[in-house]
Formats: sequence, C-alpha cells, structure tokens
Amino acid sequence: NSKVIQTPRYLVKGQGQKAKMRCIPEKGHPVVFWYQQNKNNEFKFLINFQNQEVLQQIDMTEKRFSAECPSNSPCSLEIQSSEAGDSALYLCASSRRDRNQAPLFGEGTRLSVL
Amino acid sequence: QQQVRQSSQSLTVWEGETAILNCSYENSAFDYFPWYQQFPGEGPALLIAIRSVSDKKEDGRFTIFFNKREKNLSLHIKDSQPGDSATYFCAASANAQGLTFGLGTRVSVFP
Repeated sequence: NSKVIQTPRYLVKGQGQKAKMRCIPEKGHPVVFWYQQNKNNEFKFLINFQNQEVLQQIDMTEKRFSAECPSNSPCSLEIQSSEAGDSALYLCASSRRDRNQAPLFGEGTRLSVL
Repeated sequence: QQQVRQSSQSLTVWEGETAILNCSYENSAFDYFPWYQQFPGEGPALLIAIRSVSDKKEDGRFTIFFNKREKNLSLHIKDSQPGDSATYFCAASANAQGLTFGLGTRVSVFP
C-alpha cells in the first residue's frame, strides 16, 4: 500500500563495490528522508532533502555515502565503497512541509554486503 | 544514549485485550510523536501521531496518551487482534526535522 517506491528491494554487493538504491517519493511530497535500519532495529538518520536541496545530513554521509534528489528523476542513495557494516535496510520516506504530517516510508532496500 | 526509549522489547497479549506500549523521551524540544507499525520484511507504516500540545489522540482502536510534564507517552491498542502482531516504533521530532526512533516493541497477539 506504500506510495513511496523504493528499488531494488534487495541488493547484494561485495566489499568495496558501489551500491545504489532509488526512491520515488509520494506525489506532492517535497521533503525526502533516508534512514538506515540495522538488524537491532536501530534507525539511523542519514540525510534529508527539500526538493533538490540537502537540509540535514550526518557525518557518515559526507564520506562514503552520497545522495541526490534531482528534479523529475528518482532520488538516490549511493554507497561508494560498501563495507560489511553497511548491511542493513535502507528506508526512504517523504512528507509534505506541513509540521503536522509524519513521513511516509517505502518498503526499503535490503542491502547485504558479503 | 537513547533519546527515545521504549520500555518493553516485547509484549504478549491475548486477542481482545488492550495492549499498552510505553515510550519516554529526553529532549524537551521534541514536539511531534508518530507511532509506526512494522511487519517483517516491510517498511514502517504510520499508525497514529500526536503533537505535544495535545494529551490524547484517538483513531479507531489506537489511542495515544501523552504527558508532557513527565516526558512520556503510551500507545493503547484496544481489542487486540492477531493481525496486530508486529513491531511498534515510537518516534519523535523537533521543529519538523528528522525523526528519532525508539528500538521498538514487538507485540504478539495470541488467539
């Protein structure tokens, strides 16, 4: 039922390989978030955008992680050189600018780094 | 240090009972508290949310009770059904910024 579309659902990479995942936010939602959910259910905020501009990002994303939300194209999150510790569920969420609306999540991309 | 704490990792109730999930937070700037439901292999789905100006929010069988002074809130699932078996996450945000999540409470509803 999710209106945030993430692809692929599953991604398997070797250490050192690039991993790229995409997200189409819900129509009319200018704010996009990326989170990492590990096997212990910990959610880690990575980055968020409003339209094409980065609003906030954590230090981790400034090194091996890169993300963009070009106009008229899916948003993407890319890990330049995957490490075993990057294995997790990567969740994209989108929302309106309205403070009273919680972000809606996609089904996620499950990344396994072998 | 967990900014958002869920007091139980797991909770078991019988069908028809009310499940009560507790959550507390540290940051006084948090002003918006959504709860998400997640089934295995799926993304979190928004269930219900409350702003810090309210002390109660109800939507069908789901009710949030919020205590700003004590910095805690609870989610009540009335008339629990086996289909409610899932992991429930309490989350919080300040000024419409990114969410901070608890570690979840896994609810099992037995028929």
